[in-house]
Amino acid sequence: SQQGEEDPQALSIQEGENATMNCSYKTSINNLQWYRQNSGRGLVHLILIRSNEREKHSGRLRVTLDTSKKSSSLLITASRAADTASYFCATVIQGAQKLVFGQGTRLTINP
Amino acid sequence: EAEVAQSPRYKITEKSQAVAFWCDPISGHATLYWYRQILGQGPELLVQFQDESVVDDSQLPKDRFSAERLKGVDSTLKIQPAELGDSAMYLCASSLDLWTRASGANVLTFGAGSRLTVL
Repeated sequence: SQQGEEDPQALSIQEGENATMNCSYKTSINNLQWYRQNSGRGLVHLILIRSNEREKHSGRLRVTLDTSKKSSSLLITASRAADTASYFCATVIQGAQKLVFGQGTRLTINP
Repeated sequence: EAEVAQSPRYKITEKSQAVAFWCDPISGHATLYWYRQILGQGPELLVQFQDESVVDDSQLPKDRFSAERLKGVDSTLKIQPAELGDSAMYLCASSLDLWTRASGANVLTFGAGSRLTVL
């Protein structure tokens, strides 16, 4: 079952530019998380935002959450080649005890 | 830094053969997850354990897939018989037991995955 949908599916930018990825979901959530996956590897947790929060920062990452629009965005500032990866949003649906992932955004940073 | 261990990293098998994947979670993590990730898609939860008990296996194809976590520590995921459509990355993850708390804010730590190719 699919809960989160990322947009765009693929994004290619120049090093130093900012990258913005969006996630939309269908049902009410407890929290929303973003994960990164380098090619052929497992996922790495980046940041978690709770349903009562609107914005969180972690280093070059900024996440926003709009529960009225059922959407979230991940902003990576001053991108680096090492940021090249797939980024997934994942949600914990209210009343459920599991994490459901979206399809991901493939980000390519060109040197 | 503690890691989730998975083996094998790569497995190539012919259809109708049996395949098994092993996962050792981070020590102290009560919850263990098996996800399947088809190339170009997001991970899909196959089975979730709380200690040795299955709490969610709604997406596990039970006619050919089985999973166990006998002592509540490491886990094995088996496929028998394997089919062409089973080709995917099988990801194991673990987390602290936070699901029962009001926060419900479980953060997952993933292993490197086991890449299965069925010929």
